[in-house]
Amino acid sequence: DSGVTQTPKHLITATGQRVTLRCSPRSGDLSVYWYQQSLDQGLQFLIQYYNGEERAKGNILERFSAQQFPDLHSELNLSSLELGDSALYFCASSLYATGANTGELFFGEGSRLTVL
Amino acid sequence: DQQVKQNSPSLSVQEGRISILNCDYTNSMFDYFLWYKKYPAEGPTFLISISSIKDKNEDGRFTVFLNKSAKHLSLHIVPSQPGDSAVYFCAAGGSQGNLIFGKGTKLSVKP
Repeated sequence: DSGVTQTPKHLITATGQRVTLRCSPRSGDLSVYWYQQSLDQGLQFLIQYYNGEERAKGNILERFSAQQFPDLHSELNLSSLELGDSALYFCASSLYATGANTGELFFGEGSRLTVL
Repeated sequence: DQQVKQNSPSLSVQEGRISILNCDYTNSMFDYFLWYKKYPAEGPTFLISISSIKDKNEDGRFTVFLNKSAKHLSLHIVPSQPGDSAVYFCAAGGSQGNLIFGKGTKLSVKP
């Protein structure tokens, strides 16, 4: 158990809809990362927050947005969903803003989104 | 443009033999590299890392080699065990702090 909690574990919705994925980082971790894993694709970095502020942005679509709240949990909002958005969405956390470089990046079990 | 490439989607080895997983990268600004292991229905977990100032890092049965001139790294698992069967992701990072992952290699270790 990594200590990172993601909800929901599975979500099925229709095209055009909007969903929210939630992530609770490990206790004490200040940095949250979101990754997308599509079929036959690696883990695509979407966005990183550190202590409530956006720190780095990757290949995140304009239809997607995220935020980190004062209690440090994070939400990833996906809107106007398309079939191609079906994927496994991982949240990861680390203590420091650059925690990833030491491998101290702890992943949740992921939220599997299916868009029909 | 894929900055981190794992060209072998899968690899099958016999228990007790060596497993060699390869990874290539294109961005010379990366200064640390990591391997993550992922079992089905679980998130990736950190396995081993190497800084760009080193060419080898060893942790038990796992050794990572880095060839900066070739922009290539490899993970050696010796001896391979059935419990090592998983998807292995190569990742690279720089000063930004986030990681760029490859597509993964599925390792199957047969008893």
